[in-house]
Amino acid sequence: AQSVTQPDIHITVSEGASLELRCNYSYGATPYLFWYVQSPGQGLQLLLKYFSGDTLVQGIKGFEAEFKRSQSSFNLRKPSVHWSDAAEYFCAVGSPWGGQNFVFGPGTRLSVLP
Amino acid sequence: NAGVTQTPKFRVLKTGQSMTLLCAQDMNHEYMYWYRQDPGMGLRLIHYSVGEGTTAKGEVPDGYNVSRLKKQNFLLGLESAAPSQTSVYFCASIGMRGAGSNQPQHFGDGTRLSIL
Repeated sequence: AQSVTQPDIHITVSEGASLELRCNYSYGATPYLFWYVQSPGQGLQLLLKYFSGDTLVQGIKGFEAEFKRSQSSFNLRKPSVHWSDAAEYFCAVGSPWGGQNFVFGPGTRLSVLP
Repeated sequence: NAGVTQTPKFRVLKTGQSMTLLCAQDMNHEYMYWYRQDPGMGLRLIHYSVGEGTTAKGEVPDGYNVSRLKKQNFLLGLESAAPSQTSVYFCASIGMRGAGSNQPQHFGDGTRLSIL
């Protein structure tokens, strides 16, 4: 069965610093991979997705992620964090149409220091 | 704006009471989902539907029932609420054809449910 791990429960960075959020997955086939962001009291907003092709994916709000098949990873990066990036970030893997074959990670909470 | 709408946004129930959460989408999406979100556990799938009149169990279906009588609506019911069902519930939808076939799920803003 597929699974997603996000090793960091909580990360704190200073505004302007670079950011990398880790995501590792277990999936039996070529995965669809997603990163979502959730601001407090809000639903989930898609940052970026990987279906196939170029393994470096650009998303909204200046985020990017790199798919590394050999490491079963899909880490999210941003070169310079803004205070408004403070939120919870979820990695997800699987087919969006697959019912139980779409799994979310536990999430990483990002705090940003002024 | 078009999207996924959940009602109500907040609700407090007593143990044993029943209630129904409504999810409505106006994007003509075939697939709809109900998730619950609990701290440190991400989102877990409760039930889902691949089309009008069909439903299927997800990862944590016990204590919940669902119905999809109309394509645009997906109802989540709690017949006898328990404190363990205190959570934030999210509905999502996704299309299968045309522009929706390569898109991720669209999420509602959530329903915060407390069971006392």
